[in-house]
Amino acid sequence: EAGVTQFPSHSVIEKGQTVTLRCDPISGHDNLYWYRRVMGKEIKFLLHFVKESKQDESGMPNNRFLAERTGGTYSTLKVQPAELEDSGVYFCASRATGGETQYFGPGTRLLVL
Amino acid sequence: DQQVKQNSPSLSVQEGRISILNCDYTNSMFDYFLWYKKYPAEGPTFLISISSIKDKNEDGRFTVFLNKSAKHLSLHIVPSQPGDSAVYFCAASATDSWGKLQFGAGTQVVVTP
Repeated sequence: EAGVTQFPSHSVIEKGQTVTLRCDPISGHDNLYWYRRVMGKEIKFLLHFVKESKQDESGMPNNRFLAERTGGTYSTLKVQPAELEDSGVYFCASRATGGETQYFGPGTRLLVL
Repeated sequence: DQQVKQNSPSLSVQEGRISILNCDYTNSMFDYFLWYKKYPAEGPTFLISISSIKDKNEDGRFTVFLNKSAKHLSLHIVPSQPGDSAVYFCAASATDSWGKLQFGAGTQVVVTP
């Protein structure tokens, strides 16, 4: 069974540019989460999808971040325009309905210059 | 407001000895706790979990202990092996939070020969 995949693995952009991160969850997992780790600190929750619906987006930093999960399969996280403080590692995780464990992808390392 | 804390940023242990990692939390609504292991440039990998109705869970070399009254949990690794060298994250969730995880800042474990 394929795990959670994320694309790209790395992205280097300039301040003011736009970047879109993609996450493909484990097949059949209705729950999809985005997290971010900044500067080696704790991993922080951004938002949670159940199928295509946003269940909780309380961790989204501001309106420069837009997450979508059209069709309830893969998800995208767009940052527009990117700022220096957006640099970090963005992780996606998925969980099966009724399951308790979240499975993480390898992350996308974003550097905003 | 960090609700999950790992106060030891690093731990060095000899191969074959016991590694003990500690984690404290402040939110009494947390009822499920997990430990994740993370290698460089990879996503967190689920290691072991415990529900708040238990005080101990064991899986091979890994044992997690939960002390609800002290709001404290610990991970014991016995015996420690070189492949255990990684960053270990403690995470917690509450039933009404749809699996949203709150993470500690992580503890870097180095197992020396």
